[in-house]
Amino acid sequence: DAKTTQPPSMDCAEGRAANLPCNHSTISGNEYVYWYRQIHSQGPQYIIHGLKNNETNEMASLIITEDRKSSTLILPHATLRDTAVYYCITGGNTDKLIFGTGTRLQVFP
Amino acid sequence: DAGVIQSPRHEVTEMGQEVTLRCKPISGHNSLFWYRQTMMRGLELLIYFNNNVPIDDSGMPEDRFSAKMPNASFSTLKIQPSEPRDSAVYFCASSLDRESEAFFGQGTRLTVV
Repeated sequence: DAKTTQPPSMDCAEGRAANLPCNHSTISGNEYVYWYRQIHSQGPQYIIHGLKNNETNEMASLIITEDRKSSTLILPHATLRDTAVYYCITGGNTDKLIFGTGTRLQVFP
Repeated sequence: DAGVIQSPRHEVTEMGQEVTLRCKPISGHNSLFWYRQTMMRGLELLIYFNNNVPIDDSGMPEDRFSAKMPNASFSTLKIQPSEPRDSAVYFCASSLDRESEAFFGQGTRLTVV
């Protein structure tokens, strides 16, 4: 079973920031938080990952709470092409990535 | 790099037939994964290879499923005999090592009638 909890769906206006929450209260000290997304009919795409510090790359920012029990993925300026299912996953190695049901993000004009 | 390449993209077969799905990982990547995705069960990890050696096959549903990785640039997932409940999208992914992010292929949509 997935070890994370995410809202099933969210909406976001184009150009606005999309903030996707994730609860991972049972995360252990050596486990990372990974975010992937899956655009319709495509394979999952890696977005970002982090251990305890906040991370930023060209796609998104990842904010991890100090107790590491939750995190937020931020897409700073959402576009229609960001419409996808977003998966929050915890794990110590890529081999133990267990995908849950994710959050279906709908970006509207 | 062209990314992870899977073939075929679509496969329709009759129940009882053997099905072979193919995957070419990204050159230089040492880890390879096979996933299955259905509406009911979502994305499931079937098996994981590291340096061509199967490490964890606990997700393989039953003996009808087998996976091989004869070399660093090729892997197969075989279903023999196939059943309608095997209908799903099968994804292959590779990563540089066990700690790096995984890159997924476009998937093979399998339909068993």
